[in-house]
Amino acid sequence: KAGVTQTPRYLIKTRGQQVTLSCSPISGHRSVSWYQQTPGQGLQFLFEYFSETQRNKGNFPGRFSGRQFSNSRSEMNVSTLELGDSALYLCASSFSRGDEQYFGPGTRLTVT
Amino acid sequence: GENVEQHPSTLSVQEGDSAVIKCTYSDSASNYFPWYKQELGKGPQLIIDIRSNVGEKKDQRIAVTLNKTAKHFSLHITETQPEDSAVYFCAASFHGGSQGNLIFGKGTKLSVKP
Repeated sequence: KAGVTQTPRYLIKTRGQQVTLSCSPISGHRSVSWYQQTPGQGLQFLFEYFSETQRNKGNFPGRFSGRQFSNSRSEMNVSTLELGDSALYLCASSFSRGDEQYFGPGTRLTVT
Repeated sequence: GENVEQHPSTLSVQEGDSAVIKCTYSDSASNYFPWYKQELGKGPQLIIDIRSNVGEKKDQRIAVTLNKTAKHFSLHITETQPEDSAVYFCAASFHGGSQGNLIFGKGTKLSVKP
């Protein structure tokens, strides 16, 4: 079974721009969560999607948003990028809410 | 909210020795405790997990113990090998309600010297 895939793997953006990251969960998994990983703050929860609905949200500003499609694929969007948004963005999928989460390789975002 | 503390932040052992990483959590409602291994350039890989109705779980060279009273859980790796070198993260969450997101510790960088 293929694992969680994330595209693109690397991205360089300029302050003020916006970016969209994509995540394809493991086949059959219906829950997708997003996390931000930085050296200073570690791994922090962004949001969780299940059945195309956001079920849970972490403590991030409204510039961070996401959505989930009917095939469980998910996207997250960051608008008006700031230097501090430079991070590894990780997507994790699980069969259902509360099940084991399996992570993708992440998208490395650099904001200049 | 939940807070997870992880110690030590770095750990260096000789090949064949054991390694122990410890975590404490603050929310007594947490009932699910996974451990992840992250190698350079990769996403975290789930290596073992434990639920609050179990005190210990083993999988070959890896074991996890949970002390609910003290709100501690630990990862034990025996007969370490160079390929065990990585950053290890503990996490805690409450499974069973509207929550399910993982709260992570800051990580332990394990180096196994051949």
